[in-house]
Amino acid sequence: GENVEQHPSTLSVQEGDSAVIKCTYSDSASNYFPWYKQELGKRPQLIIDIRSNVGEKKDQRIAVTLNKTAKHFSLHITETQPEDSAVYFCAASKGGNQFYFGTGTSLTVIP
Amino acid sequence: DAGITQSPRHKVTETGTPVTLRCHQTENHRYMYWYRQDPGHGLRLIHYSYGVKDTDKGEVSDGYSVSRSKTEDFLLTLESATSSQTSVYFCAISESQGGTEAFFGQGTRLTVV
Repeated sequence: GENVEQHPSTLSVQEGDSAVIKCTYSDSASNYFPWYKQELGKRPQLIIDIRSNVGEKKDQRIAVTLNKTAKHFSLHITETQPEDSAVYFCAASKGGNQFYFGTGTSLTVIP
Repeated sequence: DAGITQSPRHKVTETGTPVTLRCHQTENHRYMYWYRQDPGHGLRLIHYSYGVKDTDKGEVSDGYSVSRSKTEDFLLTLESATSSQTSVYFCAISESQGGTEAFFGQGTRLTVV
């Protein structure tokens, strides 16, 4: 099956700085890559996603990039704010019935 | 938020007892999933369903069974609870196979003592 690795496991940044979280996947057939944000005690919620026919996608301060050749995809958060503090999960899916998740990155934004 | 509700939200049970968790959706989505979340492991798929009475195993299915007799309900049963099944359980739904967003329920915190 698919194997998704996520790094780093923890990340601290100063407010206003950028944060980058990286994931790799193993199955070249994977074609959908969502990112979820989970605040403490809450459910994971989608913040952005990208499909394999697109190299980059932006939504305000959040962007995701995908390198299919290297099987890498990354989440970029610019101008970080304290409310960005949360756990972020990447995932990969190949159109089957399963989403394979990374192990999560705990992001802390220091005011 | 998508209409997806889990019950109970919290449960403490004793080792060896059967436990059933319920996931109810009002979105009429075809696909339903049960995940467990543990520190250092992210979200791991237990079982999923692709239609009424159509289910399949995920990567950590041992000790768990599921049933889906109606589109809106997906039940997860721990046949004989063990301490290793102490976890937070999330149900999720999606409209189609991969390629679209999965919406999560609020989670159920299960403690097996």
